[in-house]
Formats: sequence, C-alpha cells, structure tokens
Amino acid sequence: KNQVEQSPQSLIILEGKNCTLQCNYTVSPFSNLRWYKQDTGRGPVSLTIMTFSENTKSNGRYTATLDADTKQSSLHITASQLSDSASYICVVADNYGQNFVFGPGTRLSVLP
Amino acid sequence: EAQVTQNPRYLITVTGKKLTVTCSQNMNHEYMSWYRQDPGLGLRQIYYSMNVEVTDKGDVPEGYKVSRKEKRNFPLILESPSPNQTSLYFCASTLSWGGKNIQYFGAGTRLSVL
Repeated sequence: KNQVEQSPQSLIILEGKNCTLQCNYTVSPFSNLRWYKQDTGRGPVSLTIMTFSENTKSNGRYTATLDADTKQSSLHITASQLSDSASYICVVADNYGQNFVFGPGTRLSVLP
Repeated sequence: EAQVTQNPRYLITVTGKKLTVTCSQNMNHEYMSWYRQDPGLGLRQIYYSMNVEVTDKGDVPEGYKVSRKEKRNFPLILESPSPNQTSLYFCASTLSWGGKNIQYFGAGTRLSVL
C-alpha cells in the first residue's frame, strides 16, 4: 500500500533555532517528492519538488533532501522565524506525477 | 495573479440538505481535484478531473459528486450530507511543468454537518 509517514507529529522550537523534519514513503513507482507548508486556515503551498535524480533542493531557509534508495526525505529549516509556525506536509507523486499521496504532516510551532 | 477560489469558506448545514462547494481557477489548468483533510490523516483525494467532461474517483469518493462542464470550474456536490462528511475541503489545480505537476490549492472550505 502506498503510504507516506512523517515524524515528529509535532515540534516546538525557539526562534532562531534550526530543525529537521522527516518523511518516509513506500510509494511506488516514484515520480517526485514535494514538501508543502500549510498555514492554519489556508491551503498548502509548495516549498520544494524533487525528482528521483535530485538529492537536495533549497528554497531560502528551507532545504529538502531525498534518498531514493532508502525512500527517505528530510526538510531542514535554518534560523527559524515565527512565521515558520505551520504544518509541513510531505507528498509523494506516483506514476506520471498525477497521483499524490499525502503524509499526515508535522505541526511546527516556533516560539519567541 | 494565479488563483484557486473556493466558496464558501465556512458552511454549517444539517444532515440530508444538498449543498455545493464551488471551485474556480484562472490558470487554464486541465487537471483539478478535490481533497478532504481530517486530523491525523492528511489530505485524501475525493475526485479528480483530467479535463472538461472527464472526471474520476479518488480514494474517498463515497457520498460526493463532481462535474466539469468548463475548464475553470470544478464544483463538489454533496447530495445528502452526513456528519461523517464534516471536514476541511480543498480544491487543487495542477500545472504540468517539466513532469513535476505543480499543485495550487484553494484556501479551503470548512464544512460542519449537524
């Protein structure tokens, strides 16, 4: 069964600190993996998209890594800001990239 | 500005009263889809549409209908809502770009069925 798991379920950090979120998947065949940020009460917004051949992708203070062999991905947030407080969702696309399997998300809270 | 617009944003209704949630995109995308989001479960696809008059079931289609009479609109219809359809609903429109299929989500519709 195609699944995406994320850890931790929730995370609290202080402003300015770094953190890393994890994603494991069993989706096959694999097309690409994406990380979304979802602010409370809003729709998800894409942060990064990585295909099989891409090991890392950055978007400002967000850096995603992908290990297609172990089927793991991580999202590293550097120098966190209060505005980083949100849910971060790992999504894996199978087949031709049209079928998306969503992880349950990690709820990040950044405190002053 | 690229937009996916859902209406209404919030809706409280009673069991059995038919309702429609509208979704409109201004990007001329062919692929659109509906998701529901429930705590701890992540987004689950209800229905999707590859193009006008082409729709298909997603993972959790029971109790829902959709239509795609024109490219920009993809309404979600609940003929006889039940309390287990209380959820947060998202419409998404997908741009095919370099094989990466970028999804744009609406702001969401929070539905409560009493």
